[in-house]
Amino acid sequence: EPEVTQTPSHQVTQMGQEVILRCVPISNHLYFYWYRQILGQKVEFLVSFYNNEISEKSEIFDDQFSVERPDGSNFTLKIRSTKLEDSAMYFCASSGDRGQKSVEKLFFGSGTQLSVL
Amino acid sequence: KQEVTQIPAALSVPEGENLVLNCSFTDSAIYNLQWFRQDPGKGLTSLLLIQSSQREQTSGRLNASLDKSSGRSTLYIAASQPGDSATYLCAVRTVGDKLIFGTGTRLQVFP
Repeated sequence: EPEVTQTPSHQVTQMGQEVILRCVPISNHLYFYWYRQILGQKVEFLVSFYNNEISEKSEIFDDQFSVERPDGSNFTLKIRSTKLEDSAMYFCASSGDRGQKSVEKLFFGSGTQLSVL
Repeated sequence: KQEVTQIPAALSVPEGENLVLNCSFTDSAIYNLQWFRQDPGKGLTSLLLIQSSQREQTSGRLNASLDKSSGRSTLYIAASQPGDSATYLCAVRTVGDKLIFGTGTRLQVFP
């Protein structure tokens, strides 16, 4: 079964550094997402992306965050200047091979554990 | 604002028992509800998706029901096995793009 792949699985960085988390969504999907889960807390929505632009973002997704689909296969999340509170598991997801995002299943990657020291 | 709650928070049962996990949500204006499984330190595996117009979905030993008007869903696991041990999350798809997740039920099935 096709799957969403994320790299790296673990990322350790110093506060204030930039990080880029990478994702390869399922190839024929049209909608892409980033979610995160702080240890012991709920999975939270960050941003959705469709047709090369952000379609929705949460309050968490401030100016320090950006997303990009630099080519036909990769989808990246950049954090410009990391803070301690950015430490979390970051999940990429994709959906919508029929262009009907509201009724289709989301497929999640295995996540990148980001630790900010 | 949509809130999703899951009870119980944790459950420990002997192998072979039939289980019911509960999910409730405050706003019935949803597109669908999805149940996920999360293993420690791992990603989310989709188990079942129920559209707002549906009442239930089945996959193997899993059955999920949805009562949109009362804001409830249940996940029924038949004949539980140690391999079912994981955290089970429900999430509702609302107007817009996002899934709103519950806090999960941590299930342990012991031999």
